[in-house]
Amino acid sequence: GNSVTQMEGPVTLSEEAFLTINCTYTATGYPSLFWYVQYPGEGLQLLLKATKADDKGSNKGFEATYRKETTSFHLEKGSVQVSDSAVYFCALVSNSGNTPLVFGKGTRLSVIA
Amino acid sequence: GAVVSQHPSWVICKSGTSVKIECRSLDFQATTMFWYRQFPKQSLMLMATSNEGSKATYEQGVEKDKFLINHASLTLSTLTVTSAHPEDSSFYICSASGSGVGYNEQFFGPGTRLTVL
Repeated sequence: GNSVTQMEGPVTLSEEAFLTINCTYTATGYPSLFWYVQYPGEGLQLLLKATKADDKGSNKGFEATYRKETTSFHLEKGSVQVSDSAVYFCALVSNSGNTPLVFGKGTRLSVIA
Repeated sequence: GAVVSQHPSWVICKSGTSVKIECRSLDFQATTMFWYRQFPKQSLMLMATSNEGSKATYEQGVEKDKFLINHASLTLSTLTVTSAHPEDSSFYICSASGSGVGYNEQFFGPGTRLTVL
């Protein structure tokens, strides 16, 4: 079945550091890929998405590129801020209809000033 | 657009009581809604998928008589935790997808924190 594997945290970075959170997936066909962010005590917010190979999703300085050859969708940001501290979830959904998202386990990011 | 609300945002109840959580799509028609459960510092666990007007499809290990899901309209799904016990304490999150809002995209509610004493 479909699955998502993302790097385990927690990740602690200093403000303005470069961020990479690795995510790889296993899926049949051509899934859509997502990164969600969850701030403390809140629900999930969509951060960015990509629906086909070589698509780059970007939002709020975060980027991720859909790499079919490596089945990866790594999240990057060039300069993190304290306000980026949150849990980040990589997820995929099959393109065959209204099927549920498959989530990675989440990576907790803490950015210190 | 594509806003999903949940009510209540938190609830504390006594063991043995039932609790109803509402999930509403505010500005689109949600043909499918998903209910998730999240334990502290863990990922989301899918509990069930509900399509409007149909019975919910529950994931393996989720008791359908314990977690009653109703999706009676295109804008509302409810999760009722029946005879709640302390082990049911968790963060419950719904998501919705539908026509006209982002292909294959799901929109999440803010979550409901349930504490059973």
